[in-house]
Amino acid sequence: AQKITQTQPGMFVQEKEAVTLDCTYDTSDQSYGLFWYKQPSSGEMIFLIYQGSYDEQNATEGRYSLNFQKARKSANLVISASQLGDSAMYFCAMREGPPGVYTGANSKLTFGKGITLSVRP
Amino acid sequence: SQTIHQWPATLVQPVGSPLSLECTVEGTSNPNLYWYRQAAGRGLQLLFYSVGIGQISSEVPQNLSASRPQDRQFILSSKKLLLSDSGFYLCAWSVRTANTGELFFGEGSRLTVL
Repeated sequence: AQKITQTQPGMFVQEKEAVTLDCTYDTSDQSYGLFWYKQPSSGEMIFLIYQGSYDEQNATEGRYSLNFQKARKSANLVISASQLGDSAMYFCAMREGPPGVYTGANSKLTFGKGITLSVRP
Repeated sequence: SQTIHQWPATLVQPVGSPLSLECTVEGTSNPNLYWYRQAAGRGLQLLFYSVGIGQISSEVPQNLSASRPQDRQFILSSKKLLLSDSGFYLCAWSVRTANTGELFFGEGSRLTVL
């Protein structure tokens, strides 16, 4: 079974509107971390936001917020006030295992297949 | 500040030829290092990761290999490339002790095997 599932087809959003990118995950670990990355057409991977499994509040970073629903195993990314520069591919990823010291299998991230977001002017 | 560089940025190689992609991290010590591959329109597939010199973990059986000859150097190699090795290769590093464990990526190397 896939650990990270991103099934939305290409997403379109009007500039200045909000958009939600879906991500569901599968793990039997109680402790894990969830990440979102942005990949513009240049190919670089840019870290956006992190949510720990024990974090009680949803993570926020500027215009990015993570809608974390633990029981549903979903970690959707919400981008508010979309900008043209937000057009890119977005990847959800998961690290399994406790945080703090990464010297084994808990050091690796498993990525989903990504979602393409296009912002219309 | 920490930086990561990988090269070459673009490579076109014939089937059966060897491969060497190099990645170097600066400004940190004892990093965890990773090689990912992204096929066209696909997600990132973890190929190898290393938590120390000489410690290489392989995630996917294939004709690729990785080596870590120095603390901040990670090399991806192949003796004979296959068509299926084409893709975008990303090197990444992370801090061994950190609150979140996020990965920081290099600029990527685009490999086309003909």
